[in-house]
Amino acid sequence: GAGVSQSPSNKVTEKGKDVELRCDPISGHTALYWYRQSLGQGLEFLIYFQGNSAPDKSGLPSDRFSAERTGGSVSTLTIQRTQQEDSAVYLCASSKADRAHGYTFGSGTRLTVV
Amino acid sequence: SQQGEEDPQALSIQEGENATMNCSYKTSINNLQWYRQNSGRGLVHLILIRSNEREKHSGRLRVTLDTSKKSSSLLITASRAADTASYFCATDEDGNNRLAFGKGNQVVVIP
Repeated sequence: GAGVSQSPSNKVTEKGKDVELRCDPISGHTALYWYRQSLGQGLEFLIYFQGNSAPDKSGLPSDRFSAERTGGSVSTLTIQRTQQEDSAVYLCASSKADRAHGYTFGSGTRLTVV
Repeated sequence: SQQGEEDPQALSIQEGENATMNCSYKTSINNLQWYRQNSGRGLVHLILIRSNEREKHSGRLRVTLDTSKKSSSLLITASRAADTASYFCATDEDGNNRLAFGKGNQVVVIP
């Protein structure tokens, strides 16, 4: 597609429920990133996928968080047993492998855990 | 840890004035990038400056990079109300797989 697409744009869930966030990157971008942004804060790195290589999961805050990327394209970020501190905007970005032209971000998913 | 600490954190200026933001970082980098964010949503890439470059221009934007001081500045000339946004610097670090973002500068341009 023309840009990075994320869905849903907003998600309200009850504490303890599982949620899935989806990211559809730009066609031809081999690198895909998930970041989290809490209110008024900077971006916190979560996970990085590059082609068929093993993902860099070093930013995932707990084992309740996981992500996969199927067929080198669409990615799903799953949060199990959500907690109130998981409330944030979850941003997905993609880039070419060399990152020479920066990232293209999606519009994000605003997750609210009540 | 987060690289790219921007200074100042918030800036309010009149339309037509110039806005300057600074960013400092701590490690060796391949390049440094500036992004804009409106309304807490997706970031838009503005400009990238490589570690061997000292200054770069794009339209009303001017970016400088001083690798000896590990700092960068973003200048927006002749600001417009539409420039109201948060601006983030991000560093592409040697040996790392992703950009490290600072906490951002909130810029308000008053018409």
